[in-house]
Amino acid sequence: AQSVTQLGSHVSVSEGALVLLRCNYSSSVPPYLFWYVQYPNQGLQLLLKYTTGATLVKGINGFEAEFKKSETSFHLTKPSAHMSDAAEYFCAVRFYNQGGKLIFGQGTELSVKP
Amino acid sequence: GAVVSQHPSWVICKSGTSVKIECRSLDFQATTMFWYRQFPKQSLMLMATSNEGSKATYEQGVEKDKFLINHASLTLSTLTVTSAHPEDSSFYICSATGTAGGELFFGEGSRLTVL
Repeated sequence: AQSVTQLGSHVSVSEGALVLLRCNYSSSVPPYLFWYVQYPNQGLQLLLKYTTGATLVKGINGFEAEFKKSETSFHLTKPSAHMSDAAEYFCAVRFYNQGGKLIFGQGTELSVKP
Repeated sequence: GAVVSQHPSWVICKSGTSVKIECRSLDFQATTMFWYRQFPKQSLMLMATSNEGSKATYEQGVEKDKFLINHASLTLSTLTVTSAHPEDSSFYICSATGTAGGELFFGEGSRLTVL
């Protein structure tokens, strides 16, 4: 079955610390991978995406993610957390053999302590 | 980037009534739209895939008679929650794409509260 799993429903870091949000996927075909951020009572904002090519993808707000096929992972990182990074983060996988639908992971709530 | 608009952004209704939520692509033709629901503190769950001019494809466990989806034009899809009950209260989000496999654009979501 094709799925996406985010490890850790809640991650707390100090301001200035490294942010690492984990995402693993299961797929029998090459997936397209995405990270979205959602602030309270708002829609989704695309942080970054991997389709083909370079496996290290840089996104907005200083975030980046690396696609590791051997580990079926697409972890999201940011070298130095800001208070404004506190939000819900969703990893998502798009399966083009299923009509192009986008399936979301469970989400990880990031808290940033002063 | 492309814009997808949802209306209303929030709605409160009485139990037993029906509510319609619109999803519009403002600057592109959306051949496919996806409808999601999100409960508080939870992820987005795909409800159905809607292709223009065709019947929607519902995910397993989603009641098609409860959640009516219409995609009659290339810029508009509607989700109607029929005979709404309090358990239907949720955040409903649509996304749209202009081409098969093309980039997805999300609406801002519609919060439904059923009293």
